This record gives sequence, C-alpha cells and structure tokens, in this order.
Amino acid sequence: ETGVTQTPRHLVMGMTNKKSLKCEQHLGHNAMYWYKQSAKKPLELMFVYNFKEQTENNSVPSRFSPECPNSSHLFLHLHTLQPEDSALYLCASSHTGPTEAFFGQGTRLTVV
Amino acid sequence: AQSVTQLDSHVSVSEGTPVLLRCNYSSSYSPSLFWYVQHPNKGLQLLLKYTSAATLVKGINGFEAEFKKSETSFHLTKPSAHMSDAAEYFCVVIGNEKLTFGTGTRLTIIP
Repeated sequence: ETGVTQTPRHLVMGMTNKKSLKCEQHLGHNAMYWYKQSAKKPLELMFVYNFKEQTENNSVPSRFSPECPNSSHLFLHLHTLQPEDSALYLCASSHTGPTEAFFGQGTRLTVV
Repeated sequence: AQSVTQLDSHVSVSEGTPVLLRCNYSSSYSPSLFWYVQHPNKGLQLLLKYTSAATLVKGINGFEAEFKKSETSFHLTKPSAHMSDAAEYFCVVIGNEKLTFGTGTRLTIIP
C-alpha cells in the first residue's frame, strides 16, 4: 500500500462512452501525475499538476481531460476513446520538486 | 537534459543465483536515481533510491544498487534470486527535471 489509491481497478468502455478515473493520495504531496503504460512501450507521462495547477501536458489528445480539484485528488475524464487508448493508467504523487513519486495500483482500461 | 538506459530488456536467472540489472544514466546535474519494481497488473513500487549520500544503497527485499559516477551507472543487484522477484524493474533518474524512466527490464526466475 503506497498511500495512492486509484479507482476503478478495471474498466471496459465503448468508444462512445464517457467515464472517469479517480486518484486519491493521503501523503501530503503537492504534485500529482497521470502516466500511461502500454504493452511494449515506455511509460508515458501525460499530465502533471503542482498545487492543483496543471504544469505539464505532453501533447495528450483532448479526449483525455484531467481535473485536479485539490492537492489530494486527481481525475482523468475520458470520452470518445479509441482502441489504441487501451492501457494501464497510473496515477502518482510526490512532493514538489525533483523527488521520487509514489504510484497507485493503476486502472486497466480496455476500449472496445 | 537527462536520460536513462536499461541495457537489458529481459534477464533470466535461476532461483538462488545472483541478479544483476544494468542501468546507465545521463544528467547535466547531480542526479537522484531510483529503482522501481512492478509486479504483473500492479503499480510501481519504490525499491531503493540514491540521493547523493552513500554510494551503495540498500533497498527492500534484499536488493541493493551502487552509484558509480565515473561509469554513470546505477546497477541493481541481489545475491540470491527468489521466485517472488519475477517482475519488471525500472531505473529512473531525476536531474533538475521530472522523473525520466528507463524502458524496463523484465526479470524471469527459473525454478
């Protein structure tokens, strides 16, 4: 248990659906991250939030929409996804600045 | 700029034999270095970290890594492999930027 909780653990959605991934941390961190992990590809950083403000968006398609209402919660809203978006989505948190991150268990997303 | 290279995509060892997972890094700043482990369908767990203190770092589950500045390496070792060590291992570097991950090394343990 790392102190970072992701829900749901598994999600199957159609290409026309709208769903949201949730991440919650109780570690007192001020930075939160979304990563995408696809089979046979390096871990991809998607978004970074520091003190609730988005500080990085790595050219992620607009069908992925992040939301950070406070430093403890992070959401990833999904709509009109494609099959190639199927992956493990990992949330992480850290103290601000270059330091190690703590990861959640991930959400296994399958787009059908 | 910073980067990390994991030299082996897949390593297989017999149970009870030593483990060596290799990692080389590049950083314009004094780096912090980490190893993470990921078991199937799980998140990444911090195994150990180097942050400019002792160059030999001990982590969980009997793993350790040695920071060698002259070789820009941070290899992960364990004296005796256990079946539960089968997982994917990621080397990570931080210079003055965000975490940069290696491509991972899949460790297989042969009974």
